[in-house]
Amino acid sequence: DIQMTQSPSTLSASVGDRVTITCRASQSINSWLAWFQQKPGKAPKLLIYDASTLQSGVPSRFRGSGSGTEFTLTISDLQPDDFGTYYCQQYNYFYGFGQGTRVEMK
Amino acid sequence: QITLKESGPTLVKPTQTLTLTCTFSGFSLTTTGVGVGWIRQPPGKTLEWLALIYWDDDERFSPSLKSRITVTKDTSKNQVVLTMTNMDPVDTATYFCVHYHASKWAYWGQGAQVTVSS
Repeated sequence: DIQMTQSPSTLSASVGDRVTITCRASQSINSWLAWFQQKPGKAPKLLIYDASTLQSGVPSRFRGSGSGTEFTLTISDLQPDDFGTYYCQQYNYFYGFGQGTRVEMK
Repeated sequence: QITLKESGPTLVKPTQTLTLTCTFSGFSLTTTGVGVGWIRQPPGKTLEWLALIYWDDDERFSPSLKSRITVTKDTSKNQVVLTMTNMDPVDTATYFCVHYHASKWAYWGQGAQVTVSS
């Protein structure tokens, strides 16, 4: 199994902030990584795939980077709609998710 | 417009078998490269991938749940059915069906809440 570890678990931020979430894989997954955003009671929404490709319709303030075992999701100019929980997902070997990072209002 | 919707029981007893149906529209499960998968999320926890069935009937299952899961498709009805045997309270979760293509899980159903309790 490939373990995905996200940090931090919770992040407090304000509108306009730049925030960064890290996801580490227990072994190399090349660039086979996606990022999802989830709001309470809703299904996850795909933001980024292949580590850095923005899904259609997702604002350009979301940026993904990394390869191998370390990846980051950066949200520049945080907007009110961006508060929620973010998950990374590897698809190098089956499909596994990180434990999530909750972005809350400071 | 791609949509998916899960349906099935909200409550099952321990040891029973869960059957969930995903009814979709906006795509065909005969199109090359397309699949429908199942992902669940226990209350307050992260997501767990369960299974994926492809357009060509190929199937993939989570190794830890493979012995308990069956997935079938009915392309004429645009449905995929998940069956999970020997349900336990730890299987209490929201179950999502998801459209899959080119490694992307881009379209999700609203989720079906399933509680396992006697």
